Amino acid sequence: DAGVIQSPRHEVTEMGQEVTLRCKPISGHNSLFWYRQTMMRGLELLIYFNNNVPIDDSGMPEDRFSAKMPNASFSTLKIQPSEPRDSAVYFCASSLMGKETQYFGPGTRLLVL
Amino acid sequence: DQQVKQNSPSLSVQEGRISILNCDYTNSMFDYFLWYKKYPAEGPTFLISISSIKDKNEDGRFTVFLNKSAKHLSLHIVPSQPGDSAVYFCAASATSGTYKYIFGTGTRLKVLA
Repeated sequence: DAGVIQSPRHEVTEMGQEVTLRCKPISGHNSLFWYRQTMMRGLELLIYFNNNVPIDDSGMPEDRFSAKMPNASFSTLKIQPSEPRDSAVYFCASSLMGKETQYFGPGTRLLVL
Repeated sequence: DQQVKQNSPSLSVQEGRISILNCDYTNSMFDYFLWYKKYPAEGPTFLISISSIKDKNEDGRFTVFLNKSAKHLSLHIVPSQPGDSAVYFCAASATSGTYKYIFGTGTRLKVLA
């Protein structure tokens, strides 16, 4: 099994630009989670989906952030416009709904200049 | 407000000795707890979990202890090995089937050979 796949692994962009992060969950998993990791706040849950439906987006920091899951094998997290304070590592994780263990991807390291 | 706190950002231990990582939580509704381990440039990986109906769970060299009255849990690694050097995240959930985890900020463990 390939595990959770995220792309790109690294992204450097300028303030004001649109950023799109991509995630392919483990095949058969029906829950998907987006997290952000910063030194100050650790791992924060941004949004999660069950069966492609957003269940809880209370962690999304601002309207500049949006996430979609058009099908069971793909999700995107978009930041528009990006700001320097968005610089962080963004992780995607997936699980079987009803199972506790979440499997994380390798993350996307985002730097907004 | 941090509902899950890991107050020690780092810990160094000699190989073969015990490593004790601590975690405190504030939400009395939390009933499921996990530890994840993270190596550089990788996503977190599940290590061990415990339900609030137990006060101890053991898996090989790893044991998690839960003290509900103190709202405290700890991870013991015995004996510690250099390969255990990583960042350890504590996470908690008021489960109800959502598996929405609140993570701490992590503790960086360094096991010295």
